Amino acid sequence: EPEVTQTPSHQVTQMGQEVILRCVPISNHLYFYWYRQILGQKVEFLVSFYNNEISEKSEIFDDQFSVERPDGSNFTLKIRSTKLEDSAMYFCASSRSGPRGANEKLFFGSGTQLSVL
Amino acid sequence: DAKTTQPTSMDCAEGRAANLPCNHSTISGNEYVYWYRQIHSQGPQYIIHGLKNNETNEMASLIITEDRKSSTLILPHATLRDTAVYYCIVRVRSGAGSYQLTFGKGTKLSVIP
Repeated sequence: EPEVTQTPSHQVTQMGQEVILRCVPISNHLYFYWYRQILGQKVEFLVSFYNNEISEKSEIFDDQFSVERPDGSNFTLKIRSTKLEDSAMYFCASSRSGPRGANEKLFFGSGTQLSVL
Repeated sequence: DAKTTQPTSMDCAEGRAANLPCNHSTISGNEYVYWYRQIHSQGPQYIIHGLKNNETNEMASLIITEDRKSSTLILPHATLRDTAVYYCIVRVRSGAGSYQLTFGKGTKLSVIP
């Protein structure tokens, strides 16, 4: 069964450093997402991406964050200057039909645990 | 915020049916009910969704009341691997016109041997 792949599974970084989290969505999917989950808290939406541009973003997704689809398979989340409060599990997701479709199903990766020291 | 109410936790004996309730009394006519689960901090996993008819797939059944104000997810024969947090989500139209998945706290289901 096709799946969303995320690398690395764990990332440790120093405060102020840049990090890039990588994702390979399911190959025939067109819509891509990042969510995050701070330990013990809810899964939160960060951003959705379609046709090489951001479709929607939450208040969390400020200027420190950016997303990119650098080639036909990868989808990345960059945090420009990490803060302690960026420590969380980051989940990538993809879907075939998109958030304007009522029948959209999101498929999530297993996440990257980011620890900012 | 999330438009659903779920019990915080439930237990179920292994091999028995797990029935997870969800209230969504303010649901609108074109809003779907989705169920996802999250096993021990893994990524959320899609289970099933529906609008007004009951639905069944290889994982579960979804029973939606006629007034659509509540629903029940049924795992017919729970196994230890079904221990997870189960999220009932009503996809709400966002300000940008799309339907976002907004996760609440869910129900922590513990399947007991």
